[in-house]
Amino acid sequence: EVQLVQSGAEVKKPGESLKISCKGSGYRFTSYWIGWVRQMPGKGLEWMGIIYPGDSDTRYSPSFQGQVTFSADRSISTAYLQWSSLKASDTAMYFCARLLTIATDYYYMDVWGKGTTVTVSS
Amino acid sequence: DIQMTQSPSSLSASVGDRVTLTCRASQGIANSLAWYQHKPGKAPKLLLYTASRLESGVPSRFSGSGSGTDYTLTISSLQPEDFATYHCQQYFTTPQTFGQGTKLEIK
Repeated sequence: EVQLVQSGAEVKKPGESLKISCKGSGYRFTSYWIGWVRQMPGKGLEWMGIIYPGDSDTRYSPSFQGQVTFSADRSISTAYLQWSSLKASDTAMYFCARLLTIATDYYYMDVWGKGTTVTVSS
Repeated sequence: DIQMTQSPSSLSASVGDRVTLTCRASQGIANSLAWYQHKPGKAPKLLLYTASRLESGVPSRFSGSGSGTDYTLTISSLQPEDFATYHCQQYFTTPQTFGQGTKLEIK
């Protein structure tokens, strides 16, 4: 079974750093793009960007460029979303998802993780 | 960025009803549209892709249509498990973008 398992909920203070994870199983992790999606409280889904674990190629949405960092560790089939200095406005649910990938072209998100809740509050 | 607008933002309906949700793109997206179902506390679930192709395992009461900028998701006969939020997403260009969602509630 193809699965993405995300790390647990986090409560942080403004200015702190954070790295959340998304572990893939049941498929060849290095051959599919992984995307990150934000859902702020009471709001819709926002596409943050994607990473290709095969070579760590990344594509950021302009709205998130410079605000977050994507990375991946192929050896443990895990993708990461990282902040160096959190703000209260980063409070949200964050989903990872696998993108249908053909060669290195990417399409829609066919498998999703259950999400990681990040709360940033002083 | 391509803006995706869903309507209505919420909808009350009864079990057995036929409902149609709409998604409009700010420019043509050549059927590069996916629909997802999302229930609280669960992972979003892919329902349809390429505007009208049903993902494996999704009940046939779900269908999609459209072209150019305008797309619809139809549920032919609502079941209790269908009450959820539905999101459309364009994957025609990067950044991919989602609509704001339609919350389908029990009347």
